[in-house]
Amino acid sequence: DVKVTQSSRYLVKRTGEKVFLECVQDMDHENMFWYRQDPGLGLRLIYFSYDVKMKEKGDIPEGYSVSREKKERFSLILESASTNQTSMYLCASSGTDRGPLGGYTFGSGTRLTVV
Amino acid sequence: QKEVEQDPGPLSVPEGAIVSLNCTYSNSAFQYFMWYRQYSRKGPELLMYTYSSGNKEDGRFTAQVDKSSKYISLFIRDSQPSDSATYLCAMLGGGNKLTFGTGTQLKVEL
Repeated sequence: DVKVTQSSRYLVKRTGEKVFLECVQDMDHENMFWYRQDPGLGLRLIYFSYDVKMKEKGDIPEGYSVSREKKERFSLILESASTNQTSMYLCASSGTDRGPLGGYTFGSGTRLTVV
Repeated sequence: QKEVEQDPGPLSVPEGAIVSLNCTYSNSAFQYFMWYRQYSRKGPELLMYTYSSGNKEDGRFTAQVDKSSKYISLFIRDSQPSDSATYLCAMLGGGNKLTFGTGTQLKVEL
């Protein structure tokens, strides 16, 4: 089974801190995604990547950046954390071998609280 | 208007009931339709997918797509307490970027 691992389940950070959320997948997937999930708003795409060192903005990229130096790892960076970035962050990956019907595999999420 | 609309619930049903979960969409470019199930404190997991109008069955689950009405449904027969979760519809047009509904919270009670 494809496994997507997010480094932390729960994080508490202070306003203004630089925050790194790490995601690693073990199935050689080309595509990786970062979402945030908030009640009533569903999953919103922050950034995605189709290849190493490649990144594309999603629907809500403001206040975030990403890094993909290796195929298996996709990092989300909060440059200066703010309270409105308190959320559940979900990483996902997908491969191109099965096309879009392969779906995404999600990690278990990181619940970030900014105080 | 959101591209994908989904009633957030919560929806509470007795064990054994038939559950109907629905999404509507506005983007005609969507060609692939998926349902994800998300248990509490977990990431979503792919439940079913389809890419054509009509029904697709998998055990107790049936996915239905009506492209002419831009409407998709997930039916759960003989619902069980273990089906209690949030169900998210997701859709794909060109590329590999999914658009999700907000999710419907389902509780199946004993």
